[in-house]
Amino acid sequence: GESVGLHLPTLSVQEGDNSIINCAYSNSASDYFIWYKQESGKGPQFIIDIRSNMDKRQGQRVTVLLNKTVKHLSLQIAATQPGDSAVYFCAEMGGATNKLIFGTGTLLAVQP
Amino acid sequence: DAGVTQSPTHLIKTRGQQVTLRCSPKSGHDTVSWYQQALGQGPQFIFQYYEEEERQRGNFPDRFSGHQFPNYSSELNVNALLLGDSALYLCASSRDRDEQYFGPGTRLTVT
Repeated sequence: GESVGLHLPTLSVQEGDNSIINCAYSNSASDYFIWYKQESGKGPQFIIDIRSNMDKRQGQRVTVLLNKTVKHLSLQIAATQPGDSAVYFCAEMGGATNKLIFGTGTLLAVQP
Repeated sequence: DAGVTQSPTHLIKTRGQQVTLRCSPKSGHDTVSWYQQALGQGPQFIFQYYEEEERQRGNFPDRFSGHQFPNYSSELNVNALLLGDSALYLCASSRDRDEQYFGPGTRLTVT
C-alpha cells in the first residue's frame, strides 16, 4: 500500500550544526511533497514544499531535496537552533487524490 | 489575518457518546481537510470538504461524518465513540489543492 516512512526516528544535533532529515516514499504517482514541523501540543506547521517537476527548493535556512529515481526526500536545516527542536513529518500528495499521506515523524533534538 | 482555528481545544467523552468538532479555515481558503493523529504517529486523513461536499475520504468508518458550511467552516462528527477514537483531531485548510495549513487541533479523550 501507500506509505511514507522516515529513516531515522530521532536525530540529535548540536546547536549551530546542520541537520538532515530523510524520508522515503513509495507512491510513484505522488507529485507534491511537504515538510511539516510539529511542536508539542500544536498542529503541524508548514515549512516548505516541492513539486515533482523540481529536485531542489530553498527557503529561509531550509532546503528540500527530491530524488524521484530512488523516491527519497530530505530536509536540510542550516545552523540548527534550539527553536528547531520538534517532530518533523514529510507528507506526500499524489495522482488524483487530495489527501496528504504522512510518515511517522522524526524527532529533532537540538543540544545547546 | 487569523489562521485556522478549532474548537474546543480539549474534550472528554464516554464510550458510546457522540462528539462534534469545529473548524474555521484561514481567510481565503475554501477547502477543509480533517486528520486524526494518534499519540506518536503521523496524521491520518479522514476526509476533505470542498464546495460543501465531501470530495475525498480516507479509511475511516461511517461513524465519522462531516459538514462544510457556506462560509467554508466545517464540522467533524463522530458517533458511538470508541476508546480507540482518542486522538488529536486536526483540521487543515487550503485553496483547493494548494498547501494545507493546520489548526492547533482538538484533543479528544474517550473514557
